[in-house]
Amino acid sequence: DAEITQSPRHKITETGRQVTLACHQTWNHNNMFWYRQDLGHGLRLIHYSYGVQDTNKGEVSDGYSVSRSNTEDLPLTLESAASSQTSVYFCASSSLSAYNEQFFGPGTRLTVL
Amino acid sequence: AQTVTQSQPEMSVQEAETVTLSCTYDTSESDYYLFWYKQPPSRQMILVIRQEAYKQQNATENRFSVNFQKAAKSFSLKISDSQLGDAAMYFCAYRSGNNAGNMLTFGGGTRLMVKP
Repeated sequence: DAEITQSPRHKITETGRQVTLACHQTWNHNNMFWYRQDLGHGLRLIHYSYGVQDTNKGEVSDGYSVSRSNTEDLPLTLESAASSQTSVYFCASSSLSAYNEQFFGPGTRLTVL
Repeated sequence: AQTVTQSQPEMSVQEAETVTLSCTYDTSESDYYLFWYKQPPSRQMILVIRQEAYKQQNATENRFSVNFQKAAKSFSLKISDSQLGDAAMYFCAYRSGNNAGNMLTFGGGTRLMVKP
């Protein structure tokens, strides 16, 4: 069965360190998204990609970067982790149509000390 | 930019009763889609129901239905015959109808508690 996975599921790091969160989908979807979830804010868009070599900034992109070298993967990098980036991170993917459902990964809980 | 507002941070309902979760949104677009997602304690995001803005008929999925009021920009979720497994966070989400904007804009969520 097709799926979308994230790793690690939990991560504790220190302020200033570089962190990369992995996202892998086997749906063969062109669209991939990264969101962060914080209490009271729901999910907010960090970055998104509509295909290989395409990346775009979302609402809360400062301090984050992504790259898309293949269809299946969209890793999220925190260049220099900050305590404000402590959050739960969700990766999602969808096919091209706006009607179609976004499928979400299980989330990564990141703590920055 | 679109905004989505869920004005009820928490709601509770007795098992087997009906509950309605509110959602309002702001947009200047005429073509869009609206979604309700459920997030149980496992954190997994699960699509509950979706509504196309061009459809006047309210969407229904088993015990879940929506009241879509386009002019009022309101999109409420009704859960009938509530079950203990319905306890979760519920998020309302907006998606533009043009393919250049396939990302979701979420509301802040409503925590639903179901009392036995």
